[in-house]
Amino acid sequence: QKEVEQNSGPLSVPEGAIASLNCTYSDRVSQSFFWYRQYSGKSPELIMSIYSNGDKEDGRFTAQLNKASQYVSLLIRDSQPSDSATYLCAGPTQGGSEKLVFGKGTKLTVNP
Amino acid sequence: DVKVTQSSRYLVKRTGEKVFLECVQDMDHENMFWYRQDPGLGLRLIYFSYDVKMKEKGDIPEGYSVSREKKERFSLILESASTNQTSMYLCASSSRAASSYNEQFFGPGTRLTVL
Repeated sequence: QKEVEQNSGPLSVPEGAIASLNCTYSDRVSQSFFWYRQYSGKSPELIMSIYSNGDKEDGRFTAQLNKASQYVSLLIRDSQPSDSATYLCAGPTQGGSEKLVFGKGTKLTVNP
Repeated sequence: DVKVTQSSRYLVKRTGEKVFLECVQDMDHENMFWYRQDPGLGLRLIYFSYDVKMKEKGDIPEGYSVSREKKERFSLILESASTNQTSMYLCASSSRAASSYNEQFFGPGTRLTVL
């Protein structure tokens, strides 16, 4: 299994809907995770971090971590066209490495 | 706010030229990283530095070298640019503080074209 896997999409949702982005990870990845948003032609921007099992909410964004099933998800409520971007999940490798392992990203399009 | 800056947003170079990409961060972060990003391949780590003058190869170091003479600055060097090095280059930094979870902060990127 690749260390961090994402459904590459693309994912298309109507404006106002909930967008659900998912990521699975292997045992080689430590169990804190980050979600980055990357607009076309721009660099990744950190939007959510989650360190413990369960949910973490920040505005319209909710990150969910399920360690037993080794998946992490990002829910975007009331999706807006401005949420259209590629979303990357990432986690540190095990063993105290300073490095992150990134998924290849899921492209989200929110249609007005 | 963490600020990571890169010397150029767009760069065009010729095959065989020596290319320098500069990255500066203002948050006193110990760790700095260079990635390249290509369609379908995602982010790939080229080099990583965890302290001044310290470096570690990433997944694709061939054809690249790095320099870190000061804590805030991390340079990526393409010794002899080739067309397959045309890419988006991204610099990132992170803290080694006990309170940090290794989250990385990215610069704006440099889109390099090698002709």
